[in-house]
Amino acid sequence: AQTVTQSQPEMSVQEAETVTLSCTYDTSENNYYLFWYKQPPSRQMILVIRQEAYKQQNATENRFSVNFQKAAKSFSLKISDSQLGDTAMYFCAFTINSGGGADGLTFGKGTHLIIQP
Amino acid sequence: DGGITQSPKYLFRKEGQNVTLSCEQNLNHDAMYWYRQDPGQGLRLIYYSQIVNDFQKGDIAEGYSVSREKKESFPLTVTSAQKNPTAFYLCASSTPGYGYTFGSGTRLTVV
Repeated sequence: AQTVTQSQPEMSVQEAETVTLSCTYDTSENNYYLFWYKQPPSRQMILVIRQEAYKQQNATENRFSVNFQKAAKSFSLKISDSQLGDTAMYFCAFTINSGGGADGLTFGKGTHLIIQP
Repeated sequence: DGGITQSPKYLFRKEGQNVTLSCEQNLNHDAMYWYRQDPGQGLRLIYYSQIVNDFQKGDIAEGYSVSREKKESFPLTVTSAQKNPTAFYLCASSTPGYGYTFGSGTRLTVV
């Protein structure tokens, strides 16, 4: 079974700073997909970024980027120029399928990120 | 617009009652999922379905039941056997190569 670990229950940074959220995972699979989801107070799950394990290049989406270390099974999220609207729960997730998978997503327990004005 | 609709947004259950949470999608996705979210626990998989008339238990299926009579619909019933049902419930759907889409959730409270 796959597991996902987020070791930072809560983080707080000042607006405009850069922050990195940690995620490690455990799997015996070679091909898989990793995700970061944002859950604001509305509780809607919003996809932030996605990484395919077979791609060596780290994914980026505007101010969000990942540091994917396959050998170390690490998948950290970096948020640059943080904004007040980035305040939310952030979940790291794993799946062996790109979609329509047999077992869906496995989630970490989340990191509560607070951006201070 | 395509998406997933969960209803109701808030639901209250009395002790010993069964309640059903609705999940409907118009994305033409084959797979659908139910997750439970508790504070500090992340999201845990309750049930999932890859095709109509077929579904499998997830990690925490005890006290829950589902049906998949139509591709668009995947209702979740919280039975009286579920001793601690107070939680936030999220429905999701997916299709190969596209990824996962989530509904806006149902907050269930035992009164």
